[in-house]
Amino acid sequence: AQTVTQSQPEMSVQEAETVTLSCTYDTSENNYYLFWYKQPPSRQMILVIRQEAYKQQNATENRFSVNFQKAAKSFSLKISDSQLGDTAMYFCAFILTDSWGKFQFGAGTQVVVTP
Amino acid sequence: DADVTQTPRNRITKTGKRIMLECSQTKGHDRMYWYRQDPGLGLRLIYYSFDVKDINKGEISDGYSVSRQAQAKFSLSLESAIPNQTALYFCATSDGLASGELFFGEGSRLTVL
Repeated sequence: AQTVTQSQPEMSVQEAETVTLSCTYDTSENNYYLFWYKQPPSRQMILVIRQEAYKQQNATENRFSVNFQKAAKSFSLKISDSQLGDTAMYFCAFILTDSWGKFQFGAGTQVVVTP
Repeated sequence: DADVTQTPRNRITKTGKRIMLECSQTKGHDRMYWYRQDPGLGLRLIYYSFDVKDINKGEISDGYSVSRQAQAKFSLSLESAIPNQTALYFCATSDGLASGELFFGEGSRLTVL
């Protein structure tokens, strides 16, 4: 079975600073996708970024970027130039390409951005 | 209007009551899912459906049942609610293609007293 571990329950960062959230996963498969979802206080789940395991290049979406280390099974999220609106719970998620929809989620990391 | 709509958004009920959470979507996706979110546990899959005639149990299906009334509608039922079913419930859809992305509803917060 696949597992996803987020070891940081909560992180605090000042506006304009950078914060990195860690995520590790465990699988014996080669074909999978990794995601970071954001859940602000509105509780809506919002896709932040996606990484295909077969791609070596790290995904980037504006101020959000990942460091994907396939051999180490690590998938960290970096938030640059943090904004107050980035305050949210962030979930790392994993899915095998032959198990669409059966996501494995980490426990989440609460990010608090302070002025 | 939201693409994935859940009702009710919040509900308080008593132990032993039957509860139905409803989900409807306008995305045209065949695949629909129910997840449960608990603090410190992330989201866990309860049931999923790849079309109207295909319903499958997820990792925590005990105590729950589902009904796929149409492509656009997928309901979750708690036949006899118990306090440890207090949680935030999410309905989600996907198109099953390479994007892999899940599209979530706004969640239904259920409290069982």
